[in-house]
Amino acid sequence: NAGVTQTPKFQVLKTGQSMTLQCAQDMNHEYMSWYRQDPGMGLRLIHYSVGAGITDQGEVPNGYNVSRSTTEDFPLRLLSAAPSQTSVYFCASSGGTSESITGELFFGEGSRLTVL
Amino acid sequence: GQNIDQPTEMTATEGAIVQINCTYQTSGFNGLFWYQQHAGEAPTFLSYNVLDGLEEKGRFSSFLSRSKGYSYLLLKELQMKDSASYLCAVLDSNYQLIWGAGTKLIIKP
Repeated sequence: NAGVTQTPKFQVLKTGQSMTLQCAQDMNHEYMSWYRQDPGMGLRLIHYSVGAGITDQGEVPNGYNVSRSTTEDFPLRLLSAAPSQTSVYFCASSGGTSESITGELFFGEGSRLTVL
Repeated sequence: GQNIDQPTEMTATEGAIVQINCTYQTSGFNGLFWYQQHAGEAPTFLSYNVLDGLEEKGRFSSFLSRSKGYSYLLLKELQMKDSASYLCAVLDSNYQLIWGAGTKLIIKP
């Protein structure tokens, strides 16, 4: 019953450092996404993927890269961390079709990132 | 622009009933979701409405009026464990989820 697994749960970075947040799901979901959650704001979509080899930008993609080489994995890379990227990051997947999200999103436990 | 509005915080008493409202203005509509998020945890799915009317699931019910751009989540027989944030999200015409900022529900004994 692993579901969606995110690592690390906590990370502190210095401005300019790079890092990768890992996300893996074992439900054979085509749709995977990355969100950030900041106080007083709704979840904001960073990047998403509707299948292996296909990625697209969400609402706030700047400063982040993604790739989807397999159905299971969808890592999020911060190229040069900035204090504005301090946030809680959630990976989520869905069993919806490749062109729509139908049904519920399954979220990972979240990764709390602080950039100093 | 696209907008989802819900109250920032609500307080209710254990055993009572509470209604959390959500109004939306989006480019198209392909369904409305409610999620529950306990502090420090991930959101979990509660309900999905795509047609007008009331969907009941145990102590929780969700209502939708597409013509009014309005939904509510009704929680009955409140328990202390219902203290959480409740997130409203709309699937727009591009099948992208637009999220509200969430309503923090505080349950008092």
